[in-house]
Amino acid sequence: DVKVTQSSRYLVKRTGEKVFLECVQDMDHENMFWYRQDPGLGLRLIYFSYDVKMKEKGDIPEGYSVSREKKERFSLILESASTNQTSMYLCASTSGGSPSSYNEQFFGPGTRLTVL
Amino acid sequence: GQQLNQSPQSMFIQEGEDVSMNCTSSSIFNTWLWYKQEPGEGPVLLIALYKAGELTSNGRLTAQFGITRKDSFLNISASIPSDVGIYFCAGLRNYQLIWGAGTKLIIKP
Repeated sequence: DVKVTQSSRYLVKRTGEKVFLECVQDMDHENMFWYRQDPGLGLRLIYFSYDVKMKEKGDIPEGYSVSREKKERFSLILESASTNQTSMYLCASTSGGSPSSYNEQFFGPGTRLTVL
Repeated sequence: GQQLNQSPQSMFIQEGEDVSMNCTSSSIFNTWLWYKQEPGEGPVLLIALYKAGELTSNGRLTAQFGITRKDSFLNISASIPSDVGIYFCAGLRNYQLIWGAGTKLIIKP
């Protein structure tokens, strides 16, 4: 059974703290993604990675960075958390493919981050 | 970034009713997808559409890829309580998915 796990379901941090969100997939997928989900806005792509040590900015990368040192693990880092980063964060992975084809994205359960 | 226009934003329906929701865009997509998110979980793929005009069913769910490639709709027939959740449309462009804002389905007791 395919599985994407995220390190925490709920997280509360203070403004200015450094925050690490971890995502692990066990499907040997090449591509991994970080989204944030806010009511009325759907899912917005923060960063994605199509290979180890490779990363690409998504639509809203400001205030975030990522790390992919191993194929199965993709970390999202908030260098200095701010209140407007309070959100649900979703990680997803998919196997490689051509840009015109679709390989199903599998999602983790999400991390609800609150920044006070 | 670009978003898809998904409507309605929410729906309150009686059990047994049929449900219809849709997504539109000003741009063409090669693939349309419909996902469902249940409380406390990540989205799960329901239906993938690959060709303009394609009509695909998954149980009580039916989705169509618009002929102009700029829209798609999802129908749910004879809704049941476990249909509650948020339904998202998404369009594929290169490696990235462009997401609608979601339709929240609530079933009245």
